[in-house]
Amino acid sequence: QKEVEQNSGPLSVPEGAIASLNCTYSDRGSQSFFWYRQYSGKSPELIMFIYSNGDKEDGRFTAQLNKASQYVSLLIRDSQPSDSATYLCAVKKGNQFYFGTGTSLTVIP
Amino acid sequence: GAGVSQTPSNKVTEKGKYVELRCDPISGHTALYWYRQSLGQGPEFLIYFQGTGAADDSGLPNDRFFAVRPEGSVSTLKIQRTERGDSAVYLCASSLVGTPSTDTQYFGPGTRLTVL
Repeated sequence: QKEVEQNSGPLSVPEGAIASLNCTYSDRGSQSFFWYRQYSGKSPELIMFIYSNGDKEDGRFTAQLNKASQYVSLLIRDSQPSDSATYLCAVKKGNQFYFGTGTSLTVIP
Repeated sequence: GAGVSQTPSNKVTEKGKYVELRCDPISGHTALYWYRQSLGQGPEFLIYFQGTGAADDSGLPNDRFFAVRPEGSVSTLKIQRTERGDSAVYLCASSLVGTPSTDTQYFGPGTRLTVL
C-alpha cells in the first residue's frame, strides 16, 4: 500500500470554477501534511501545510484535513489558467516526507 | 536571499560512470533532503541530513548511492557505476527543523541526470 494516494487526473475545470484535489494517506502516525504545486519542468513549490483537523485558508486556497478518514484535500477557488500544474500531496512521518504521484490540473480559459 | 541551488542542471553520462551532484541549501537551514523524481511520479525520498550527519538514509536504493554533507551546508550525492535506471531528476530540498511551519521544504531546481 502506498503511503500517499492521489488521483492522477487529469482534472479540467473552467476558469473561475472551484478545483477540488484529494489525497489519502495510509499511516495514522503521519504528522503534518503539505500541498505543493509543480509546473512542467520545474521543481515543487509549497502552497500550504496543515497539521490540525479542519480547514485552513490562504487566499484562494483552502486545505482540509480529516485525520479520522486519513484524508487531505485542497480547494482552489476562482481557478485561473495560471493554476494549471501538477499538485503534489506530501505527508511527513518521522524524518521522511512521502509524496503522492500528483494530480494534473488544467484550467480552461 | 538565495534559494536552494543545485549543480549541474543537466548531466549526461555513460553507463558505468561515476557522477556527483551538488546541492547548496538555504543559509541557516539545518535539514537537507535528497529526492529522485521520475517522469509522472512524485519525488521519492533518498536521504535526510540533520547538520553534518545522515539522520535517515533508508531511501537510498542500493550501495551505489552515497551522500555527504561534511560541513553541515553543501551536500554532494554520489552515484557509482551508473545504470540507465538511474536516469531521473534529482531534487534537493532544505528546511529548518521543528514545528510544521519550519518543516517546510524549499526545493532546488534539480539536476536532470541522463545515463546513456
